[in-house]
Amino acid sequence: KAGVTQTPRYLIKTRGQQVTLSCSPISGHRSVSWYQQTPGQGLQFLFEYFSETQRNKGNFPGRFSGRQFSNSRSEMNVSTLELGDSALYLCASSLLGGQGYGYTFGSGTRLTVV
Amino acid sequence: DQQVKQNSPSLSVQEGRISILNCDYTNSMFDYFLWYKKYPAEGPTFLISISSIKDKNEDGRFTVFLNKSAKHLSLHIVPSQPGDSAVYFCALSTGNEKLTFGTGTRLTIIP
Repeated sequence: KAGVTQTPRYLIKTRGQQVTLSCSPISGHRSVSWYQQTPGQGLQFLFEYFSETQRNKGNFPGRFSGRQFSNSRSEMNVSTLELGDSALYLCASSLLGGQGYGYTFGSGTRLTVV
Repeated sequence: DQQVKQNSPSLSVQEGRISILNCDYTNSMFDYFLWYKKYPAEGPTFLISISSIKDKNEDGRFTVFLNKSAKHLSLHIVPSQPGDSAVYFCALSTGNEKLTFGTGTRLTIIP
C-alpha cells in the first residue's frame, strides 16, 4: 500500500512569506502528526489531528497552524516565515494515534527560508 | 528543557560487534518508549518499542532495555551490519499522541 506522501519535497521561501505543506496519510489512517526537525534539536512535535480535530499541540508559536480534511489529508501552514523556520518538516500517520505506536513517517518537506 | 537526551552524537562499531545506543530522560511520566531509525532523505522508520511495565523487549537482532529507576533506555544491535548505519532516535510518550524525541545518534558500522 502507498506510504505517507508529503508535498512538496523541497521549498525555498523568503522571510515574511507564508507556506503551506501537505500530507496524505496511509489509506485508512485517521491520525496525522507533524514534527519539525532542525540540526541539534531532534524532532519536535508540532501538533496532531484526528478526524479533523486537533488533539494535541506542541510548544510552537501561533504562526504554525494546521488542519485536517474529511479524507484525513492534512496541511500545515507557517505564516510570517523566519530564518529559524528552516527545517525538515515531517508528517506521520497512524490508524488511531495514541502512545506513539504504529506511526509511519513520510520523507518530509525540506523548507529553506532565505 | 531537554527532557530526552542522547549524549552520544555519533558511534562507530565494527561489523559483527554489538552496537549500544543510549537514551536518558527526566520525566517519570513517560510510559512508552520507542526507537526509530533514519536514513538521509527519508522519514524515521519504527524499529522497536517497550512499555513501562517491561524492562526488556527483543525483536531479532534488536533488543531494547528499560531501567525506570535510572530513567535510562538503551538499544542493543547484535550483530551489527553495514545496513544498520543510520541515525537512531529514541522517542518517548506519556500515553498520548505526542512523541518526545532525543537528538539522535549517528551509528556507523565499519566493514
